[in-house]
Amino acid sequence: QKEVEQDPGPLSVPEGAIVSLNCTYSNSAFQYFMWYRQYSRKGPELLMYTYSSGNKEDGRFTAQVDKSSKYISLFIRDSQPSDSATYLCAMTSGGSYIPTFGRGTSLIVHP
Amino acid sequence: NAGVTQTPKFQVLKTGQSMTLQCAQDMNHNSMYWYRQDPGMGLRLIYYSASEGTTDKGEVPNGYNVSRLNKREFSLRLESAAPSQTSVYFCASHSQPQHFGDGTRLSIL
Repeated sequence: QKEVEQDPGPLSVPEGAIVSLNCTYSNSAFQYFMWYRQYSRKGPELLMYTYSSGNKEDGRFTAQVDKSSKYISLFIRDSQPSDSATYLCAMTSGGSYIPTFGRGTSLIVHP
Repeated sequence: NAGVTQTPKFQVLKTGQSMTLQCAQDMNHNSMYWYRQDPGMGLRLIYYSASEGTTDKGEVPNGYNVSRLNKREFSLRLESAAPSQTSVYFCASHSQPQHFGDGTRLSIL
């Protein structure tokens, strides 16, 4: 079992839908949680960065961390075709600055 | 502000040829990383440098060498390229969290 599990998709939704992207993990030491967005033929771009449990909102994006369940989510409201990309979760513990990445979920938002 | 810059963007090599991938960051970060990304495999860490003058192996170091030239620059070298090293290579620098370049697409025939 990998330390971080992420469904590769693809996840296909209509424009305007609410999207939920998820990762589960096994290492209870993880404290910092990140979501990256990667467009085709580009590098990963940091989208959200949270510490410990709780929610963080930034525009149409909400990151949620449930440490008791070892589960993190990224919600996208009013999804747009421009949101079509691969979304990678990543996490680090307090003792290591090297992140562990999920394999990424491919999201397609069709008009 | 360029962030993390990688050169070249594309390269085709023949088996056995050598090549150096260049990476530079202008964010004054101490740590720098090299990853490869293959379909279905996600990002795999090749080497990293926690600070100027230090380098350490990551998950998949075989066939690669690195040099931390100064605080800004971290290069990745393939001494004798093999088809299995065909991949997209990303450099990242770190200040919790990481910032990535746009990658080098490398094909080895």
